[in-house]
Amino acid sequence: DTQVTQSPSSLSASVGDRVTITCQASQDISNYLNWYQQKSGKAPNLVIYGASNLETGVPSRFGGSGSGTDFTLTISSLQPEDIGTYYCQQYASLPFTFGQGTKLEIK
Amino acid sequence: QVQVQQWGAGLLKPSETLSLTCAVYGGSSSDFYWSWVRQPPGKGLEWIGEANNRERPYYNSSLKSRVTMSVDMSRTHVTLKVRSVIAADTAVYYCVRLRGRSLWGQGTLVTVSS
Repeated sequence: DTQVTQSPSSLSASVGDRVTITCQASQDISNYLNWYQQKSGKAPNLVIYGASNLETGVPSRFGGSGSGTDFTLTISSLQPEDIGTYYCQQYASLPFTFGQGTKLEIK
Repeated sequence: QVQVQQWGAGLLKPSETLSLTCAVYGGSSSDFYWSWVRQPPGKGLEWIGEANNRERPYYNSSLKSRVTMSVDMSRTHVTLKVRSVIAADTAVYYCVRLRGRSLWGQGTLVTVSS
């Protein structure tokens, strides 16, 4: 099974800060990685698909990079509405797996 | 545009069978890959399994002995059954297309309580 390790588990940053969340896969998953934002009580919302593709309607301050085993989600200038929990998910091979989540808060 | 709708019983007693259905509207029957994912209260996301129109369903090994997923002949509905539920099965259950540009159902809260 391919494990995905996400870090950090929580993050507190100020409005306007550049924020980075990382996800590491236990084996090569090429670019088969999605990033989600989840707000309390809601279904996860796709932010980045295929490691680096911005989902329609997602602000351009969000960006994804990486390939193989190491991936990054970056928010270039943190806004108050970006708070929530972020998850990565690999779909290179079954069983699909999620990262443990990163809870993002405003300082 | 693909739309997903899911439904099923929200309150179960221990040992009963959880049953949820997901309807997919506007999708391609030849490209039908749908997963179920669950999220216990306050916890992370857990993949349960994937059903498609080509192979047998694939299940998470931690649930494999109690889970059955099936696809109907029209390839528009996916069902999830979890047998012998316990309190730890209490979660929001999502029907999701996880490959690539993922698409999520609205979620169904299932509570297991005596």
